[in-house]
Amino acid sequence: EDQVTQSPEALRLQEGESSSLNCSYTVSGLRGLFWYRQDPGKGPEFLFTLYSAGEEKEKERLKATLTKKESFLHITAPKPEDSATYLCAVQTMNQAGTALIFGKGTTLSVSS
Amino acid sequence: KAGVTQTPRYLIKTRGQQVTLSCSPISGHRSVSWYQQTPGQGLQFLFEYFSETQRNKGNFPGRFSGRQFSNSRSEMNVSTLELGDSALYLCASSSPLQPTEAFFGQGTRLTVV
Repeated sequence: EDQVTQSPEALRLQEGESSSLNCSYTVSGLRGLFWYRQDPGKGPEFLFTLYSAGEEKEKERLKATLTKKESFLHITAPKPEDSATYLCAVQTMNQAGTALIFGKGTTLSVSS
Repeated sequence: KAGVTQTPRYLIKTRGQQVTLSCSPISGHRSVSWYQQTPGQGLQFLFEYFSETQRNKGNFPGRFSGRQFSNSRSEMNVSTLELGDSALYLCASSSPLQPTEAFFGQGTRLTVV
């Protein structure tokens, strides 16, 4: 069964304290891995798509990397406005269309 | 450009009733997907429509159904509501040019009492 697991469930950081979020996946064939950010009461906001092992994408203080079994979202020198739930999702070769399998997310809190 | 629009934002319904939720995708986007988000299960895929045809379906009972119109707008219907259907229902649209990038709406918060 295709599965996505995110860790930790919650993470508290001080402003400027860098860290990483983990997303491990078990799928029969990966078409793409996605990172989203979700603020309370809002829909997920697209951050990155990664397609193959070794690929990296960066956006401001965020950097996403991909291996054959997991992805990391590195947050460098976070600010309070980075506080949100970060969701990882995969598309698999088994599925037609754009259906995503989501992990349960990591809730990040950054205090000043 | 305008984002994905979902209406209504909030709904309160009674067990046994039915409900219809609406989603207007980003202009030019032809794929619309629906997801259910609950604290316990997270985000779960319901179904996807492309050019008025259901292209993919998740593991939800037949009480959950949807459709897409010629202008790509989509509706989702839940019949015979149960307490467990209380959730945030999210709609996402994607473009044929970048089918792997899905853009989500704000969601409809459904409460079943």
